[in-house]
Amino acid sequence: DAGITQSPRHKVTETGTPVTLRCHQTENHRYMYWYRQDPGHGLRLIHYSYGVKDTDKGEVSDGYSVSRSKTEDFLLTLESATSSQTSVYFCAISIAVGASETQYFGPGTRLLVL
Amino acid sequence: GENVGLHLPTLSVQEGDNSIINCAYSNSASDYFIWYKQESGKGPQFIIDIRSNMDKRQGQRVTVLLNKTVKHLSLQIAATQPGDSAVYFCAEKPPRFGSARQLTFGSGTQLTVLP
Repeated sequence: DAGITQSPRHKVTETGTPVTLRCHQTENHRYMYWYRQDPGHGLRLIHYSYGVKDTDKGEVSDGYSVSRSKTEDFLLTLESATSSQTSVYFCAISIAVGASETQYFGPGTRLLVL
Repeated sequence: GENVGLHLPTLSVQEGDNSIINCAYSNSASDYFIWYKQESGKGPQFIIDIRSNMDKRQGQRVTVLLNKTVKHLSLQIAATQPGDSAVYFCAEKPPRFGSARQLTFGSGTQLTVLP
């Protein structure tokens, strides 16, 4: 699992409330990613980080923000949760071996927005 | 990645048989490919990868085949076991990442192993 943990693992919240998900890694990887996974879709990138305080948007970033104040932690915040953000959220890190670049995933967070 | 539909393609195989899972990738210039396995309630797990300068790579009980002519990737699982039941999906890496170093993921195939 490349030393990746996510918290919480499950969360139920109400529409309009802010929610923060945490991704923690123990191996000092530079690149970290947040994805969402929904039925009928592949993993879709929300935001990614390429270093402390260096982040950028992915393809489905609207309604989400991120922060990375330490190498080991990458936080995903839903500013005001909506039902369309009900999903399973995965954090990933990227490991490069030569020209090969592989992403390894955390166990996921199941979020239900009522 | 794969042509995304509302429902995952499914494959059912008898325990002990070989399984073949297919993936059509989108970018003819992609130079690196990965197969992931995702069990229910868990995160995707790396299985095997292959670079575009190869057409076949073998691991333990798994083989990945790459056909760049038709942009097709397949995963073969030998002697399929109940523990192989999962969703399998492929990922491709375009030749120029940009700053994101982003992979493109297919939506996957549900493999069910029958007793």
